[in-house]
Amino acid sequence: QAQLVESGGGVVQPGRSLRLSCAASGFTFSSFGMHWVRQAPGKGLEWVAGIWYDGSNKYDADSVKGRFTISRDNSKNTLYLQMNSLRAEDTAVYYCARGYCTSTSCYDAFDVWGQGTMVTVSS
Amino acid sequence: DIVMSQSPDSLAVSLGERATINCKSSQSVLYNSNKKNQLAWYQKKPGQPPKLLIYWASTRESGVPDRFSGSGSGTDFTLTITSLQAEDVAVYYCQQYYDTPPTFGQGTKLEIK
Repeated sequence: QAQLVESGGGVVQPGRSLRLSCAASGFTFSSFGMHWVRQAPGKGLEWVAGIWYDGSNKYDADSVKGRFTISRDNSKNTLYLQMNSLRAEDTAVYYCARGYCTSTSCYDAFDVWGQGTMVTVSS
Repeated sequence: DIVMSQSPDSLAVSLGERATINCKSSQSVLYNSNKKNQLAWYQKKPGQPPKLLIYWASTRESGVPDRFSGSGSGTDFTLTITSLQAEDVAVYYCQQYYDTPPTFGQGTKLEIK
């Protein structure tokens, strides 16, 4: 059974950094694109960043461009999100999500989700 | 970016009745090469992660009850829940995966009347 478990959230001051991790199990991690999606308190879902199955392509939302970096270590079945220059508006639950794949292609829909990790940016 | 707009923002339906949620995209999400609409629906309950219900606009994810169905094409889509159950109380989101960045609708809160 596919499972994703996030860690690394917490309270951090504005301008500081934090790294989130997402440990994958129950599926062939290296065959799937992976993503981070967040939900600010009382708000909707916002896609943050995605990375191809082999790490060769990364893409992110304009709201985090130049501050957040997605990466993965397929030998450790782990996805990361390095968050720098954090702002109050980055406060949210951050979800790790697997991209939906068919036998031939992968898409930016999300079929497996972690439970999420809370990031609070506050002084 | 493709803007996704849902209506209504909230909806109250009696148990056993039908709930209908609409989603409109700012441009077509129909992928010409496979003639499929790159549109998904998710269910989000408090304290839980989102759950994929529907992809390709109308394909139900494995394990999703058949009272959930998706329809539509191009720019206009609908999620229908027939015979509403108490456990269906949630916020529902549509999402396009036709273009980068993938974008979500603002969500529709479904409650019991």
